[in-house]
Amino acid sequence: QSALTQPASVSGSPGQSITISCTGTSSDVGGYIYVSWYQHHPGNLPKLLLYDVSDRPSGVSNRFSGSKSGNTASLTISGLQAEDEADYYCSSYTSSSTAVFGTGTRVTVL
Amino acid sequence: EVQLVESGGGVVRPGGSLRLSCAASGFTFDDYGLSWVRQAPGKGLEWVSGIKWNGGSTGYADSVRGRFTISRDNAKNSLYLQMNSLRAEDTALYHCARDSFGDYGKLLDVWGKGTTVIVSS
Repeated sequence: QSALTQPASVSGSPGQSITISCTGTSSDVGGYIYVSWYQHHPGNLPKLLLYDVSDRPSGVSNRFSGSKSGNTASLTISGLQAEDEADYYCSSYTSSSTAVFGTGTRVTVL
Repeated sequence: EVQLVESGGGVVRPGGSLRLSCAASGFTFDDYGLSWVRQAPGKGLEWVSGIKWNGGSTGYADSVRGRFTISRDNAKNSLYLQMNSLRAEDTALYHCARDSFGDYGKLLDVWGKGTTVIVSS
C-alpha cells in the first residue's frame, strides 16, 4: 500500500497549462475509475477537485481536468492563476478495499 | 450547512490510547461512507480508515491496521476512531471526511477541520 507517486513540484506562468502526474499500479490507479484529486492550500481544508478520474463536483472550475492512461492519472490545470498555487494530491481506491493518497505536488505560479 | 466536527485529540504517551469522534450535520448521515485522513507535521495527506454507510465493511491503512478501529453510530450521526498502541509516528492532524454515497475510499467531498493527536513521552 505504497503512496502513489507524484512530482514534488510543478511550476508555470499565469495563463499557461500544467499537468501533474499520479502513478500507481494495476491494483489501484490502473484498476479502478475511483481516482480523485484534491487541492490543499496550507491552513485551509483540502478541496475535492475531481472524482472518478475526470468528473468535477459542482462549483469547481472547468480549468481543472483529469485523465488516466494505464497506471497513471493526470490532472491538468489550464489558464494557470495565482490562486492555483497550492498542494495537489491524487487518491485512488485499491484492490485491498482501502484508499491511498499520492505523495503530493506543490504548484508554484511564477 | 453540511458540517463535520472532530473532537477527542490530545497528548498521549507512546503505547497509549485515544478515541476520536466526528459529529456530522446538514446531510443524511447514513447515506454516506466516511473516512479518516491524517496529515503529520510537514507531511502529505494519508488515508487512515474508511467505513461503509451501515458499518458493514471497513478498511485500514497498513500503518494502522490492528491498532485502530473505525466505527459509526448512525442514530447519533457520529463517526469514531479508536486508536490503541499509539506511536510517535501517529502524531498528526486527523480529519474526518464524507466519502462516497454508501461506500468509502472513492471521493472525499466534505472535510472537518480536524483534531490534533500528539504522541510523545
